[in-house]
Amino acid sequence: DIQMTQSPSTVSASVGDSVTITCRASETISSWLAWYQQKPGKAPKLLIYKASTLETGVPSRFSGSGSGTEFTLAISGLQPDDIATYYCQQYKSYAGMFGQGTKVEIK
Amino acid sequence: EVQLLESGGGLVQPGGSLRLSCAASGFTFSTSALTWVRQAPGKGLEWVATVTVSGGTTFYADSVKGRFTISRDNSKNTLLLQLNSLTAEDTAVYYCATDKGAFHIWGRGTMVSVSS
Repeated sequence: DIQMTQSPSTVSASVGDSVTITCRASETISSWLAWYQQKPGKAPKLLIYKASTLETGVPSRFSGSGSGTEFTLAISGLQPDDIATYYCQQYKSYAGMFGQGTKVEIK
Repeated sequence: EVQLLESGGGLVQPGGSLRLSCAASGFTFSTSALTWVRQAPGKGLEWVATVTVSGGTTFYADSVKGRFTISRDNSKNTLLLQLNSLTAEDTAVYYCATDKGAFHIWGRGTMVSVSS
């Protein structure tokens, strides 16, 4: 199974700060990676797919990069509405799809 | 409006069964592969099962293989998940989603609780 490892588990930042979340795959997944945002009690929402393609309607302060085994989700100018847990997902294979999540908090 | 709406969750005893439904509207259901993802209380996301566009091919997580069955009815724009031999470890919110590799459209989820 592919293992997806996110870091950090929690990040605390101030409004307006830039935030970076890393996702590492245990084997190469090319660019078959997505990022989701999940707010408490809500369904996940797709932010980015194919590593760097922004889903329609997602604010441009979100960006994704990387390929192979290392990927990054960046939030430039953190907003209060960005408080959520973020998950990466590989879709090269079904087993081991999701990372464990990164909780973003306001400092 | 593009929408997926799950139903059928509830409280069931260990060893029991449930059937979850996911009704789709606002998009061409028959052209999307479909997936179930679950989330245990306070935990992360876990892929459960996927069915292809035609319904002819299915994929399952090892944790549910042989107990859960995913299917679809394209004439009714409905995705199904039959859950058998349930255990406490199956307690979770179950989400359906459209599957293009990434999961673009998600339902709100339905809660399954397994307890005596």
